[in-house]
Amino acid sequence: QKEVEQDPGPLSVPEGAIVSLNCTYSNSAFQYFMWYRQYSRKGPELLMYTYSSGNKEDGRFTAQVDKSSKYISLFIRDSQPSDSATYLCAMSYRAGGTSYGKLTFGQGTILTVHP
Amino acid sequence: DAGVIQSPRHEVTEMGQEVTLRCKPISGHDYLFWYRQTMMRGLELLIYFNNNVPIDDSGMPEDRFSAKMPNASFSTLKIQPSEPRDSAVYFCASSFGRGNTGELFFGEGSRLTVL
Repeated sequence: QKEVEQDPGPLSVPEGAIVSLNCTYSNSAFQYFMWYRQYSRKGPELLMYTYSSGNKEDGRFTAQVDKSSKYISLFIRDSQPSDSATYLCAMSYRAGGTSYGKLTFGQGTILTVHP
Repeated sequence: DAGVIQSPRHEVTEMGQEVTLRCKPISGHDYLFWYRQTMMRGLELLIYFNNNVPIDDSGMPEDRFSAKMPNASFSTLKIQPSEPRDSAVYFCASSFGRGNTGELFFGEGSRLTVL
């Protein structure tokens, strides 16, 4: 079983829809949770990060972490064609020490928002 | 800033040949990471450096893979001899280690095809 599971999709939605992307994980030691966005033929770029449980909102994007269920989500409101990309969840144990930067990524969900 | 710069962007080679991928991290970043991305396995961490010193190479698949960082502005990932199963996109990423949760800045990747 992988440490981080993410449905690869693909997911296709009409413009303006609410998109829900999810990941589950098995290792309770993860403390930092991130969502990266990857456009075709590009490297991933950080979209949002949260520490421990809770919600974080940034414009049309909301990230949720439920550590008790080992489940994280990314919601995109009023989705736009420019949101079409692969969305990868990522997690790490802690910010410092030898575990620093060792992100474990999900497989990525391919999202297409059509006009 | 120009971001993380990788070369070559595309490489097609024959089985048994040596492949060298290059990376220039963002100036001032003290962490450098090499990732590999495939459809089957997603993004996998191969090795990472802190202040030019390799910290964790447990993700390097086998002895055919080696990585060096001779100075703060340059790193290489070498595969010798290459095999078809090494075909993937190889990403270099860098980060500034202090005072943040470890956002990684990725290059645009080197797409390797081994025939």
